[in-house]
Amino acid sequence: EILLTQSPGTLSLSPGERATLSCWSSQSLSGGYLAWYQQKPGQAPRLLIYGTSRRATGIPDKFSGSGSGTDFTLTISSLEPEDFAVYYCQQYGDSPQTFGQGTKVEIK
Amino acid sequence: QVQLVQSGVEVKKPGASVKVSCKASGYTFTSYGVSWVRQAPGQGLEWMGWISGYNGDTKHAQKFQDRVTLTTDRSTGTTYMELRGLRSDDTAVYYCAREVLLSSAMDVWGRGTTVIVSS
Repeated sequence: EILLTQSPGTLSLSPGERATLSCWSSQSLSGGYLAWYQQKPGQAPRLLIYGTSRRATGIPDKFSGSGSGTDFTLTISSLEPEDFAVYYCQQYGDSPQTFGQGTKVEIK
Repeated sequence: QVQLVQSGVEVKKPGASVKVSCKASGYTFTSYGVSWVRQAPGQGLEWMGWISGYNGDTKHAQKFQDRVTLTTDRSTGTTYMELRGLRSDDTAVYYCAREVLLSSAMDVWGRGTTVIVSS
């Protein structure tokens, strides 16, 4: 089973700042099958990025994904109030699919 | 409008079974599969398994292999997740999500079904 580790656990930032979230995989993700989801309290997760860097339908370009092998990054270029949430990375190239433990982006 | 509509809250006793439904609309059911993901209170996301809407092929997380059954009804576009031998640590929100394997990940999610296991 592929283990995903996200860092940091909590990120405290102000609106307008840039957020950089990291996700490390215990094995190389051949094919780049790495996704990012946003989850707000009481809501289902929402797909932001798939295939490491492809934005899902309707996702604004302030969200971007990058990386390869075992190191992946989600960047939010300029935080808006609605971006404060928990973010999960997920690998879906190997079974079982696995998620990171999440990074909470909170208002500083 | 593409959506997945899940069944309502379930309260079960330990040892019982629960069957959660997930009805798809707005897209061709047989062109996609459905994954099931659960989230215990205050915890992260856990993938349970996936079923093809085309032919019913399944994949399971080994942790759930013996207790979970995934089925589909192509006539209604509905997917079902049955979990047997419920324990208190099965208390969670259970989500279904549309997914084509090795493609665009889980791109549409249901709102979740809360399952509470309590004596």
